[in-house]
Amino acid sequence: QVQLQESGPGLVKPSETLSLTCAVSGGSITSRNWWTWVRQPPGKGLEWIGETHQVTGTTNYNPSLQSRVTLSLDKSKNEFSLKVNSVNAADTAVYYCATTSLSTTWGGPWGQGTLVIVSS
Amino acid sequence: QSALTQPASVSGSPGQSITISCTGTSSDIGGHNYVSWYQQHPGNAPKLIIYDVSSRPSGVSSRFSGSKSGNTASLTISGLQDEDEADYLCSSYRTSRPSYYVFGIGTKVTVL
Repeated sequence: QVQLQESGPGLVKPSETLSLTCAVSGGSITSRNWWTWVRQPPGKGLEWIGETHQVTGTTNYNPSLQSRVTLSLDKSKNEFSLKVNSVNAADTAVYYCATTSLSTTWGGPWGQGTLVIVSS
Repeated sequence: QSALTQPASVSGSPGQSITISCTGTSSDIGGHNYVSWYQQHPGNAPKLIIYDVSSRPSGVSSRFSGSKSGNTASLTISGLQDEDEADYLCSSYRTSRPSYYVFGIGTKVTVL
């Protein structure tokens, strides 16, 4: 059964780059086509960040974040990554990686999430 | 960009039925049937409970049901149980240029 685990620094300084990795275990990253990152600011709702297709390399981003976000996928390492440039306090959130076997929604599995705080 | 609109909280007694609304626009909920609902307990990742307006993933209780009318989707929980106390978030696909997924702000369900 595929499991996802996010990792990365829990504290990032304003204006720097946030970098997170999603490690896939229990199966291959090629077992699912679409992979996504979603974030949740403390006490708030979810915000979709973007998605990438493991076969075609197609990547789609939330237009509100598109200028600062990069998603990448490394099949050899069985992992999926997120970079957010020029972070500020509004980027403080729990970051989740997820995948799906459904075509119209993010059915999972999801990672447990990792909290990233942007602060000096 | 605006999120989908949900009530902040809904409550009910064990055994009762409750309904949570999720209002969007003709560019998302009203434009197709890509509406999902997630259940999220504190400190946990979201769990998909409804997709494509009214479909349930394998293993999800039949007490959860979904529907849609115009730009508003609804989630009904029948026979409310203590373990249903959680946050519920709706989601849809906004068909703007570019298209992207959008979520609701979440509804806290309290079992009295």
